[in-house]
Amino acid sequence: KAGVTQTPRYLIKTRGQQVTLSCSPISGHRSVSWYQQTPGQGLQFLFEYFSETQRNKGNFPGRFSGRQFSNSRSEMNVSTLELGDSALYLCASSLALQETQYFGPGTRLLVL
Amino acid sequence: SQQGEEDPQALSIQEGENATMNCSYKTSINNLQWYRQNSGRGLVHLILIRSNEREKHSGRLRVTLDTSKKSSSLLITASRAADTASYFCATSPNTNAGKSTFGDGTTLTVKP
Repeated sequence: KAGVTQTPRYLIKTRGQQVTLSCSPISGHRSVSWYQQTPGQGLQFLFEYFSETQRNKGNFPGRFSGRQFSNSRSEMNVSTLELGDSALYLCASSLALQETQYFGPGTRLLVL
Repeated sequence: SQQGEEDPQALSIQEGENATMNCSYKTSINNLQWYRQNSGRGLVHLILIRSNEREKHSGRLRVTLDTSKKSSSLLITASRAADTASYFCATSPNTNAGKSTFGDGTTLTVKP
């Protein structure tokens, strides 16, 4: 089976712009989670989706949003980018909630 | 604060030695997972141990779980330079839909 894929892999944006990141889970996986990883804050949970419904949300401002489609693919959007949004954004899929998560390679976002 | 906290933050050993990392958590869990991350890449799942299990093995990896002490340990035996990475524990809380929470990780350096 193909692993979790994330696009794009690298992205450079400027402050105030918005960005959309995409995640394709492993075939058959219905749960997708997003994480932000920075050197200072470590791995921070953003959201978790299961069957197109957001099941959990982390402590991030409303500028961070996401969704999941009927084929389990997921997107996350960050509006009005800030310098502090520069990070590695990781997507993980699992068969069900609270099961083993399989991570994608991440999207590295740099905000200038 | 993070649910799981790894200890030590950093560990440096010689090839062939054993490496032990610990994870402590605060609330009741459904399961605990260990992941490895090579520099700047996605996380790779190592082992999932459920709350009713005490020990699991996978190759050179041995994970123990002590729910009375709310702690887990990851032992890597006969370490290799390729084991150099950051290791994270993640806990899934004992609720139906609670999200997994990652610790800050242990950075392991194995010197050849």
